[in-house]
Amino acid sequence: GIQVEQSPPDLILQEGANSTLRCNFSDSVNNLQWFHQNPWGQLINLFYIPSGTKQNGRLSATTVATERYSLLYISSSQTTDSGVYFCAVDLRIAGGNKLTFGTGTQLKVEL
Amino acid sequence: GAGVSQSPSNKVTEKGKDVELRCDPISGHTALYWYRQSLGQGLEFLIYFQGNSAPDKSGLPSDRFSAERTGGSVSTLTIQRTQQEDSAVYLCASSLFGAGWGRGTQYFGPGTRLLVL
Repeated sequence: GIQVEQSPPDLILQEGANSTLRCNFSDSVNNLQWFHQNPWGQLINLFYIPSGTKQNGRLSATTVATERYSLLYISSSQTTDSGVYFCAVDLRIAGGNKLTFGTGTQLKVEL
Repeated sequence: GAGVSQSPSNKVTEKGKDVELRCDPISGHTALYWYRQSLGQGLEFLIYFQGNSAPDKSGLPSDRFSAERTGGSVSTLTIQRTQQEDSAVYLCASSLFGAGWGRGTQYFGPGTRLLVL
């Protein structure tokens, strides 16, 4: 099956710093989502980004589908950004979207 | 509803008992998915529903696991004769159907935390 790798596995930042999280995938996919899992376990949608670049406030994401990677940029990090960031890719199944998740990047933002 | 809801939030059960987990998707979403998140295995796909049918059950770990969806809305995941290795967070997601841009975006519920003693 498809492999999804995320790096780095862990990241500690000082508040205000910028960071880049990477997601590599082993095969062609129909689309890609980035999620933030907060300390209470809720998965929050960040981006639906099968290709191109999107921005939402301090976050932006870029997917280069032909090279099979996606990047999530966090600027001016805040303590509320702490949590686990997952990328997930979908393999279209009978019209649906079965998500295969990466192992995540655990981010801690300190004061 | 405004988002995906799941119940119960937490469930503690004894080994060997059956449990039922419920998912109520976003209104109008025809696709519904169950995933499991455990310490050793990360986030894993279990089953996918399109309407009331389940075209893909490939992620169900054993025949003790089953799921149904009635009326194209609420889904129930049932685990029979629970084992300690079933302890995990069970997450439900829903999405619109189709290939249009963004229609496949999955929205997740808060999960049910299952502990089998």
